[in-house]
Amino acid sequence: DQQVKQNSPSLSVQEGRISILNCDYTNSMFDYFLWYKKYPAEGPTFLISISSIKDKNEDGRFTVFLNKSAKHLSLHIVPSQPGDSAVYFCAARRGSYIPTFGRGTSLIVHP
Amino acid sequence: GAVVSQHPSWVICKSGTSVKIECRSLDFQATTMFWYRQFPKQSLMLMATSNEGSKATYEQGVEKDKFLINHASLTLSTLTVTSAHPEDSSFYICSAQSRGQEESHYGYTFGSGTRLTVV
Repeated sequence: DQQVKQNSPSLSVQEGRISILNCDYTNSMFDYFLWYKKYPAEGPTFLISISSIKDKNEDGRFTVFLNKSAKHLSLHIVPSQPGDSAVYFCAARRGSYIPTFGRGTSLIVHP
Repeated sequence: GAVVSQHPSWVICKSGTSVKIECRSLDFQATTMFWYRQFPKQSLMLMATSNEGSKATYEQGVEKDKFLINHASLTLSTLTVTSAHPEDSSFYICSAQSRGQEESHYGYTFGSGTRLTVV
């Protein structure tokens, strides 16, 4: 039973356009959400996070939106750059519990 | 920031041999370390959680006798894949959680991963 779902395994975007990566969760007890970026043959690196008390968090080109009623969050990258091409993992956590990860979405940004 | 070093980055071994993977927290004390396995196009699957000085807690379905975890100090955890077989070929990633930072993303840092190929 997947508690964190990333239903799009891949996404292709033109450079300069917006990339939107989606994530759904089922456990209403999750109170902290994270996005990680992973290049091939490397470990994931933290990108951005959001607490359940907020609905938006912005950091430069990256913005995460949280819709608690829909149990949905999304990561927006504007403008997208070729260096953003990677696998993006959504993760959700309850308190200090270990995060639960989605399956990841592979983003390809074309020049 | 917190840095987790994982070695080796890749290893090829013969079927039946054992392989040890090291995970070190370089600039902080890791109260807890985690070992993940990633299959192609799949999520990070948590294998086990290890606390310094105590036995690791394995997730359901993970063979503790096959995947030996040792967390002998606050900066080092090792995963030994014993009697490796081709089906053990995978990408193994460790993560470390620092003391006092459990509720912050800063307290959860990944290593660079180890690509294990068993031939």
